[in-house]
Amino acid sequence: SYELTQTPSVSVSPGQTARITCSGQTLPKKYISWYQQRSGQAPVLVIFDDNKRRSEIPARFSASTSGTMATLTISGAQVEDEGDYYCSSADSSGNYRQFGGGTKLTVL
Amino acid sequence: QVQLVESGGGVVQPGKSLRLSCAASGFTFSRYGMHWVRQAPGKGLEWVAFIWYDGNHKYYADSMKGRFTISRDDSRNTLYLQMNSLRGEDTAVYFCARDIAPPDSGSYVDSWGQGTLVTVS
Repeated sequence: SYELTQTPSVSVSPGQTARITCSGQTLPKKYISWYQQRSGQAPVLVIFDDNKRRSEIPARFSASTSGTMATLTISGAQVEDEGDYYCSSADSSGNYRQFGGGTKLTVL
Repeated sequence: QVQLVESGGGVVQPGKSLRLSCAASGFTFSRYGMHWVRQAPGKGLEWVAFIWYDGNHKYYADSMKGRFTISRDDSRNTLYLQMNSLRGEDTAVYFCARDIAPPDSGSYVDSWGQGTLVTVS
């Protein structure tokens, strides 16, 4: 198995840039996806294949990877962006999944 | 529009069994692999199991292997999770989710149900 490590919490003021990181030794070999989960709701796909934004997701969301670190960036964060964010990747076979521990984003 | 609706959750005693269902609509169910993912109260997401589009291959997280069984009935567009020998630590909201695995790309979950709560007590 492999681990994905996320910072537990990030806090920004509205309009600021929020950066949420996900680290893992196997990241260079795996695609990362990112999910947003608002309070009491199901997760929603935000980013797939490291940096591809889902069409329904606002353009202020972007992502990148470098070595063993993946970063989700929210440029000009809004109050509605508050929630928990999870990174995830599959193993090389694509059959097993792993989620990071999640990062709670607060925008206030 | 993809829709996934879980059902079958509830309160169950330790050691007992429960079967969850996930009714799929809005897409050709038989063409997609499907996952179960769970979330304990106040905790993060935990992957549970995955079944191929054709049902021929199934994969489980280590802590669920031997106790949980994922299956599907394409004639009913329904995904199942049979959970046996339930423990307190299995208390969680269980989500079903659709897998996307394009060629030359990564695999990821693109759609989630709203979840069903299982309480083992």
